Parts: sequence; structure tokens; C-alpha cells
Amino acid sequence: DAGVTQSPTHLIKTRGQHVTLRCSPISGHKSVSWYQQVLGQGPQFIFQYYEKEERGRGNFPDRFSARQFPNYSSELNVNALLLGDSALYLCASSFPLQRLVNNEQFFGPGTRLTVL
Amino acid sequence: KNEVEQSPQNLTAQEGEFITINCSYSVGISALHWLQQHPGGGIVSLFMLSSGKKKHGRLIATINIQEKHSSLHITASHPRDSAVYICAVRRGGADGLTFGKGTHLIIQP
Repeated sequence: DAGVTQSPTHLIKTRGQHVTLRCSPISGHKSVSWYQQVLGQGPQFIFQYYEKEERGRGNFPDRFSARQFPNYSSELNVNALLLGDSALYLCASSFPLQRLVNNEQFFGPGTRLTVL
Repeated sequence: KNEVEQSPQNLTAQEGEFITINCSYSVGISALHWLQQHPGGGIVSLFMLSSGKKKHGRLIATINIQEKHSSLHITASHPRDSAVYICAVRRGGADGLTFGKGTHLIIQP
């Protein structure tokens, strides 16, 4: 069974451009979370989506947005790219039981974004 | 001060040594995760703990909720254990995980 997949694996953009990153969760998983990992740091939480609705948001500007589709895949969009947006963007999926908390998260391989 | 602090930041040891990585957190949590990240970025979940102790193969994770502290132990360490080990906590609701900066472990043959 396929794990969490992300596309593209690598991406190079210039300042001011827009980028869309994609994530497909493990089959049967309904929750997707997005994280940003800057080189040398731990990941930072961006968004969590469950059943196509935003359920949590980290401390990121409005240039960052996301959505989840009926098949539970998700897109992360970043507008007006800045040099500081260069990072590894990780997607994680989980199968929430009765609550959204305390569910093991399964991570994808990430998309490495470089902004020049 | 970060909400999740790990120590040490870097650790180099010889094959076979017993390894301990520590994690302290300053907020109330519903669960604590230990994760492994290899070069290239892939993250693998090792443990999710809300109390007590868990063991999987040569890996052992413990948590003390009262002291807000967790440890990850590796017995009979092997060069293939070389990776970044990350502690992450979930505070509850849908806030996502809050991560430590990671411990870079190198096991030399």
C-alpha cells in the first residue's frame, strides 16, 4: 500500500512567484497536515485539514493557504514567495479515530522549495 | 525559550553504545512523538506516548508527565541508527505538532 506521496519533489521559484504543492494521503486517511522545515530547524506546523475543512492553523501569514479535496488529497499554496520561504514542505496524514488528537501521523518525503 | 527542548543537539558514539536522547517541554500536552529523519528529509514515526514506556526492537521511549520530560534510548547502537531524532508534542485540539530542533546522531563503526 502506498504511503503519503508529495509532488513535486523539488522546485525552484523566484521571489514574488506563486507555488502549489500537492499531497496524497495514505488510502483511508482523512486528515492532512502541512509543515515547513527550514534547514537546520525542526518542522513548523502550517495547517491541518480534516474532512475538507481547516481544523488548525499555525503562525504563518495569509500568503499561505491550503485546501483539501473530496478524495482527501490536499494542496498547499504560497503566494508572493520570499527568500525565507525556501524550505522542505512536509505533508502528514492520519486516520482520526474519535478525536483529532493523539493520532499517529505518517509523513511524506517532502517537497524541497528553493526561492531565488 | 522553545516549547520543546532536546539534548544533546549533536551526539557521536561508537557502535554498540547505549544512546539516550532527552526531550523537555514546557506546555501541557496530550501526546509526545519521537520521530526519525534521515538525510533527504523523510520522517518516520517511531513512538507516540501519552504515559509510561514503549519498546520497539532496540528502541525504548519513556515519558514522565509530571516532570514534562521524555527520553529515547537506543540499545546496541548501529551505524544505520545514524539520523536526526526529533521530539514533537501535541497540545490538543487541531494545533498540529510542535517540534524540537532535533538531535543529530552519528554512530561510528
